[in-house]
Amino acid sequence: AQSVTQLDSHVSVSEGTPVLLRCNYSSSYSPSLFWYVQHPNKGLQLLLKYTSAATLVKGINGFEAEFKKSETSFHLTKPSAHMSDAAEYFCVVSPINAGNMLTFGGGTRLMVKP
Amino acid sequence: DAGVTQSPTHLIKTRGQQVTLRCSPKSGHDTVSWYQQALGQGPQFIFQYYEEEERQRGNFPDRFSGHQFPNYSSELNVNALLLGDSALYLCASSLWGSSGSYEQYFGPGTRLTVT
Repeated sequence: AQSVTQLDSHVSVSEGTPVLLRCNYSSSYSPSLFWYVQHPNKGLQLLLKYTSAATLVKGINGFEAEFKKSETSFHLTKPSAHMSDAAEYFCVVSPINAGNMLTFGGGTRLMVKP
Repeated sequence: DAGVTQSPTHLIKTRGQQVTLRCSPKSGHDTVSWYQQALGQGPQFIFQYYEEEERQRGNFPDRFSGHQFPNYSSELNVNALLLGDSALYLCASSLWGSSGSYEQYFGPGTRLTVT
């Protein structure tokens, strides 16, 4: 069984300040972990993924995430927020060797103030 | 190279009716998964098709059924619609046998409203 908890349903930051979106996971298998972004009226886009290689993962648009097994966390960060980052973000877990069914967290809505 | 496409984009149905949603996978992909995203929530896995058979299923009732065609495209059917079936239905494609680390590509979704 696997599950994902996104600790904040809404996060608000000012443009140019750091972004932190928190995610904790639970998985019976060694997991793959992903962050997806969903802009209004658009499909889900992959930001980055962890697949048991380097624990610090770099993604698109300046985002990165760190896999911490001891804390079962996979938090998403960005040093400086841009207005275009405003969107819904989903943390996702998938069993690395048991099919590829994705389990999504509830989502975090990121708001960026000018 | 077309990505994942879905049709229709929007649909309005009445309680008790039946609906069919369609998905064409990304070129080169042979596996299609369907997800339901209720308003304000994360997507939930419905089922996955490969070689025209359902391979995995999430916690959804039998009212939800699907089909995959020889060209890998897929349909999602929902019978006896309930108000609670109102949601964005997302289709994702991937390669069968790929590990959980393989990226799934999502379509833009079909917005279903049940009145």
